[in-house]
This record gives sequence, C-alpha cells and structure tokens, in this order.
Amino acid sequence: DTAVSQTPKYLVTQMGNDKSIKCEQNLGHDTMYWYKQDSKKFLKIMFSYNNKELIINETVPNRFSPKSPDKAHLNLHINSLELGDSAVYFCASSQDLQGASLETQYFGPGTRLLVL
Amino acid sequence: GQNIDQPTEMTATEGAIVQINCTYQTSGFNGLFWYQQHAGEAPTFLSYNVLDGLEEKGRFSSFLSRSKGYSYLLLKELQMKDSASYLCAVMDSNYQLIWGAGTKLIIKP
Repeated sequence: DTAVSQTPKYLVTQMGNDKSIKCEQNLGHDTMYWYKQDSKKFLKIMFSYNNKELIINETVPNRFSPKSPDKAHLNLHINSLELGDSAVYFCASSQDLQGASLETQYFGPGTRLLVL
Repeated sequence: GQNIDQPTEMTATEGAIVQINCTYQTSGFNGLFWYQQHAGEAPTFLSYNVLDGLEEKGRFSSFLSRSKGYSYLLLKELQMKDSASYLCAVMDSNYQLIWGAGTKLIIKP
C-alpha cells in the first residue's frame, strides 16, 4: 500500500497557466506538508497543515495556495506559473507536529514540475 | 540565521566505512534526522537523534553532540546501493525541519 501518494508525477506546462498537484496519505497522520526541492537539492518547506488548519506558511508567493478537503488530503494550487517555479515538489505527512515520540515525515514520490 | 552544513560530495569504496558529518546552528533543537535520497526519488527516513550519543541501526549509525551542534552518519560495509544523497535535518523550536543541502555519496567498486 502506498503511504503518501502524489499526482501527477510529471507536469510540463506553459508560463502563466494554473495547475494543481494532489497529495493523499493513508497513514492516519494529522499533519501534512509541501516542500519544494530546487536544482541545488535544497528542501524548502512551503506549507504544513495540522487538522485542516494552516500552521506554517513560509514566505512563498501567494500564487501558491494549499487546500485540504480533509485530513488525508493536501493539494497544492499554483496560479500564474513562472519559470522559477520549475522544481520537484514533495508532499509529506507526520503523525503530529510535535510530541515526545519520534516524529518522522513520510514523503510522497514527488512531482516534477517544468514550466516552459 | 539557521544553518545546516554538510559536505557536498564524498566518495568511498564498496565494503569500506564512511562518515558523513553535519554541523548545525538553529533556533532551538528538537531532534536531528538523517534521510537518504536516491536520484529521482523521495527522501526516506534513516535515523533520529534527540539525546547525545550513538544510535545504531544495522549498517547505519548516527551520532549526536548537542553541545557541539554536531552529528555524523556512519555507514559500514558499504554497498553499491548506498550511492545516494544523505540529508541532515534539524527540528527547531517551532518543530520545523531545517534541511541541509545533502551529501552526495559515490560508491566505487
């Protein structure tokens, strides 16, 4: 069974378009995340959601908006795509944002976005 | 500012031992993680240290010194499949993971 899944795996689109990336986790986790990994391989957190509430919103452009219809899903909508948005986007989930027990994040396979 | 430093690339021989170092400066500390990422794939969890000392898990071990802001990942009996990037990440006082850029490990026969 896939723990964290993302669709699509590859996304090639024109500058200025609007696109969405979907993420689902079947682990029963309370917290989900979106990361952007650029060409230099830095993983930068974009958003995290805990119980359907946005709890961390890094300084990302407001063209990016996370949407969580329920605890198991966190979708990423991107408006007016720009060349610099080309990257790999990873969804992840964890049991909780904080706690005494080991907190690990389980990553989805990534979505490779190329903006032309 | 918050900073995670690790070497960009390392090369080792199959069957040997390699140590990947990570130093960090963060606002608060709630644990240090090591992840493995093969090319074109998602990161996968390797280890977690929150107390000083060595955590051993099979061929992989991870060490932490909080007073020195230092950790290392030790890989023994290297196999070709260990060729990957190894990411060090620290959870800060806001329970946010701060990631290093990763160390690309190349294993040669």
